[in-house]
Amino acid sequence: AQSVTQPDIHITVSEGASLELRCNYSYGATPYLFWYVQSPGQGLQLLLKYFSGDTLVQGIKGFEAEFKRSQSSFNLRKPSVHWSDAAEYFCAVRGGADGLTFGKGTHLIIQP
Amino acid sequence: GAVVSQHPSWVICKSGTSVKIECRSLDFQATTMFWYRQFPKQSLMLMATSNEGSKATYEQGVEKDKFLINHASLTLSTLTVTSAHPEDSSFYICSALSRESYEQYFGPGTRLTVT
Repeated sequence: AQSVTQPDIHITVSEGASLELRCNYSYGATPYLFWYVQSPGQGLQLLLKYFSGDTLVQGIKGFEAEFKRSQSSFNLRKPSVHWSDAAEYFCAVRGGADGLTFGKGTHLIIQP
Repeated sequence: GAVVSQHPSWVICKSGTSVKIECRSLDFQATTMFWYRQFPKQSLMLMATSNEGSKATYEQGVEKDKFLINHASLTLSTLTVTSAHPEDSSFYICSALSRESYEQYFGPGTRLTVT
């Protein structure tokens, strides 16, 4: 069965600083990988996805992620965070029946 | 863009009663919809996969008789929590799968509180 690990429960970053959120996955075949963001009381918004091709994926809001098969990782990055980026971030992998398996999430705190 | 709605957004019910949550894809057809459950400050857990015109497929540990799922049309799936108990209180989120983009579009969620 597939699984996703987000090792950082909380991350605090100063506004304007760079950000990297870690995600490791376990999946037997070529994974379909996703990053979602959830603001308090809100639904999930897709930031970016990787299905195949270029391993560096560009998303919305200035986010990007790099798929590294050798490390089973799909880390999310942003060069300069804004206060509005404070939210919960979820990494997910698509399972065999199309349903997503989510990591436990990383809570991002932005310091002024 | 593709929009998925849920109704109601928030519901309070008494223990022992049943509550129905609707999930609609507003501008696309979804042959497959998913239901997730999210406890406070936790991740989303897939409960079941709903395919139009057929029985839902439930994940291990999810009681199919308690969480009734119906997917009667290409734009509507419903989740009925039967004989609700306080431990069923949670945030229920649906998603609809676009066969064109292979992306799941998520609804805003329904917060269920059982008293």
